[in-house]
Amino acid sequence: EDQVTQSPEALRLQEGESSSLNCSYTVSGLRGLFWYRQDPGKGPEFLFTLYSAGEEKEKERLKATLTKKESFLHITAPKPEDSATYLCAVQAGRNFNKFYFGSGTKLNVKP
Amino acid sequence: NAGVTQTPKFQVLKTGQSMTLQCAQDMNHNSMYWYRQDPGMGLRLIYYSASEGTTDKGEVPNGYNVSRLNKREFSLRLESAAPSQTSVYFCATPQGPSTDTQYFGPGTRLTVL
Repeated sequence: EDQVTQSPEALRLQEGESSSLNCSYTVSGLRGLFWYRQDPGKGPEFLFTLYSAGEEKEKERLKATLTKKESFLHITAPKPEDSATYLCAVQAGRNFNKFYFGSGTKLNVKP
Repeated sequence: NAGVTQTPKFQVLKTGQSMTLQCAQDMNHNSMYWYRQDPGMGLRLIYYSASEGTTDKGEVPNGYNVSRLNKREFSLRLESAAPSQTSVYFCATPQGPSTDTQYFGPGTRLTVL
């Protein structure tokens, strides 16, 4: 069964304190792994897509990496405006039109 | 260019009432999706439509019906609402020419009493 698990559920950081969020997955035939940011009361906002193990993508203080079993979202020197829930999703090969989401990591960055 | 719009933004129903959630996209994409989001469970796919006139079940379709009225509109109907359907509902469509990345609407927050 296709499954996506994110950890930790919640993370509190001080401004400038770097850390990583984890997304582990078990799917048959990964087509893509996606990271989204969600602010309270809003829809998810796209951040990155990763397609193959070893691939990395960066955007400002965020860097996403992918292995055969998991993905990491590294946050370097975070700021309070990075506070949000970060969602991971996978697109599986058997059901290319379906996306499976993790339950998210709620990040709180204190000034 | 509004992207994806959803109506209503908020709704309160009594058990057994029916309602339709509306979604419209102006991005001219074939695929559209309905998700529900519950605390601690992430987003779960209810139904999707790969093109006008076609719909398929997702992970949690029970208690819902959908209609792909035309290329722009994809509606989600609750025939007899239950408290278990209290959730936030999101509509999505592909973000660009590729079907891989999804663009989400602002959501409908539904409470069933």
